[in-house]
Amino acid sequence: EAQVTQNPRYLITVTGKKLTVTCSQNMNHEYMSWYRQDPGLGLRQIYYSMNVEVTDKGDVPEGYKVSRKEKRNFPLILESPSPNQTSLYFCASSLSGQQYNSPLHFGNGTRLTVT
Amino acid sequence: AQTVTQSQPEMSVQEAETVTLSCTYDTSESDYYLFWYKQPPSRQMILVIRQEAYKQQNATENRFSVNFQKAAKSFSLKISDSQLGDAAMYFCAYRSPPGGRGGGADGLTFGKGTHLIIQP
Repeated sequence: EAQVTQNPRYLITVTGKKLTVTCSQNMNHEYMSWYRQDPGLGLRQIYYSMNVEVTDKGDVPEGYKVSRKEKRNFPLILESPSPNQTSLYFCASSLSGQQYNSPLHFGNGTRLTVT
Repeated sequence: AQTVTQSQPEMSVQEAETVTLSCTYDTSESDYYLFWYKQPPSRQMILVIRQEAYKQQNATENRFSVNFQKAAKSFSLKISDSQLGDAAMYFCAYRSPPGGRGGGADGLTFGKGTHLIIQP
């Protein structure tokens, strides 16, 4: 089954404790992206990747890191989480960043709470 | 930067009736794609319908259709014969062509969402 898999679905952590949210897709998609969703703000893009080893900042990249060493994986790293990073996070992929008509396929989300 | 505005934080409709969710956007580009995504309580983001700016014909997918007015930069979603399973958050989204500064750096720019309630 074609899908984007995020783990974990729920995560509670403390300020400053490094964490990684994993994202994997099995559709051989070139383009991958991370979004955060906050009430009243919709979804905002954190980072994106057009292909392996090619990443770039989105609209809200502060406090996050990403890497794209393999085509299928695009982990989101919070080196020193803070409470304002408490949010619902989505990983998404599409066939190509060059084909803007290709829809994004989303993972099921990760609910992160930083205390 | 491109912006997407959904002016209705919440809408309510009786089951089997028709409801229209509004979306407007701001862009200086002539070519782009528009999407409606549905987010039920399960949190999944599900693509409902998409529309290319160059196509004059409004997109339809079964009970879902759009009213795309390019000059007015409006992209509303009409749901006919509303069903209980349609209850969800609905997000309008914009994506620009590669190299454009829209879509949050080659991704999607989302509106803030409309919470749709279906009354049985």
